[in-house]
Amino acid sequence: DGGITQSPKYLFRKEGQNVTLSCEQNLNHDAMYWYRQDPGQGLRLIYYSQIVNDFQKGDIAEGYSVSREKKESFPLTVTSAQKNPTAFYLCASSHRGPGANVLTFGAGSRLTVL
Amino acid sequence: QKEVEQNSGPLSVPEGAIASLNCTYSDRGSQSFFWYRQYSGKSPELIMSIYSNGDKEDGRFTAQLNKASQYVSLLIRDSQPSDSATYLCAVNSNDYKLSFGAGTTVTVRA
Repeated sequence: DGGITQSPKYLFRKEGQNVTLSCEQNLNHDAMYWYRQDPGQGLRLIYYSQIVNDFQKGDIAEGYSVSREKKESFPLTVTSAQKNPTAFYLCASSHRGPGANVLTFGAGSRLTVL
Repeated sequence: QKEVEQNSGPLSVPEGAIASLNCTYSDRGSQSFFWYRQYSGKSPELIMSIYSNGDKEDGRFTAQLNKASQYVSLLIRDSQPSDSATYLCAVNSNDYKLSFGAGTTVTVRA
């Protein structure tokens, strides 16, 4: 079945540590996205990528980094520079062109900083 | 001003009633509008998309769009307990960015 796989589902991190969240899709989508969700605040865009080896900052990119070396993969690193990283992280993908905004989401990764 | 605003909720409706959710957006050039449903602890799932003014119906769901008023709404008819969730309004602000509202939590009481 086609879909988006995020791992890990739950992650605990000590302050000062970098962590990487995995996102893999087999939908043959060109575009991939990372969103952050905090209680009562909806989804905020961290980074997005339209094609391999290219990505753009979203609204809250500070303290995060990404790479897009393969079409299927878009990992997100939460660095120690991110002041308040505890949140629910959602990866999504979509086609380019018509229907470009119809997002398919992964199951999410919940990060807690201890 | 937030790009996408939704009525704050929570919204409680009796089973079988109509739930009405509202959303306004700031970018007059927006072209694509979506409603996602999110159960607690889960990821959002698309339930409706609408691209032109007027109504679009899909089963018990009806989306309404008025671009002149920069307003999009979602009606849930014959509400069921399984409709209890948070509903997110999403609007595109350019080709590859969707802006989301904070969501409206709906509770359908039996």
